[in-house]
Amino acid sequence: QSVLTQPPSVSGAPGQRVTISCTGSSSNIGAGYDVHWYQQLPGTAPKLLIYRNVNRPSGVPDRFSGSKSGTSASLAITGLQAEDEADYYCQSYDNSLSVVFGGGTKLTVL
Amino acid sequence: QVQLQESGPGLVKPSGTLSLTCAVSGGSISSSNWWSWVRQSPGKGLEWIGEIYHTGSTNYNPSLVSRVTISIDKSKNQFSLKVNSVTAADTAVYYCARSFNGWLISWGQGTLVTVSS
Repeated sequence: QSVLTQPPSVSGAPGQRVTISCTGSSSNIGAGYDVHWYQQLPGTAPKLLIYRNVNRPSGVPDRFSGSKSGTSASLAITGLQAEDEADYYCQSYDNSLSVVFGGGTKLTVL
Repeated sequence: QVQLQESGPGLVKPSGTLSLTCAVSGGSISSSNWWSWVRQSPGKGLEWIGEIYHTGSTNYNPSLVSRVTISIDKSKNQFSLKVNSVTAADTAVYYCARSFNGWLISWGQGTLVTVSS
């Protein structure tokens, strides 16, 4: 059971917009800790996608965007492409003195 | 750019010790980064194990702290992970990563460690 809750799966057709939620609590996201997002393509290591809630590292397309409000955060992907099919993880920090991850969301491009 | 590469035995016996090393290239391990270990059990999500700074300061996942040690060797530009008293539940792909201000900037390719007799 992950500290941060994500939907197990989401799907969308090419060109559509999808969002992935990440729900925490008052001891992590709600405590003001930043949320970061990672993309894990099949058979590869995770890759940083969004840091500090809304920022994209160099090279990440602006189709990917992040937001945070209260005890939750969201990752939005617009103009969905086949290459976006992957697992997505949110990450934050918890007052239990630990880095915490969401359980991951599998994105399927229909 | 900084690259990381994990190495170590792919098979460990139950009750034994899992030992992995992460070699850092393209940058100094003494830079202003924390150096982390993350694992992923087969078909499962990510679990943070712990991190170390070049001063030797460490932070560990409270659920693993009794069995885990992370160390650093600045002369070899590498850091290491030891997990004691392993069981089948410790079977996972282990990743080393470079972190900064709480996020994991870059990751190694990962190495699969299987706990089995």
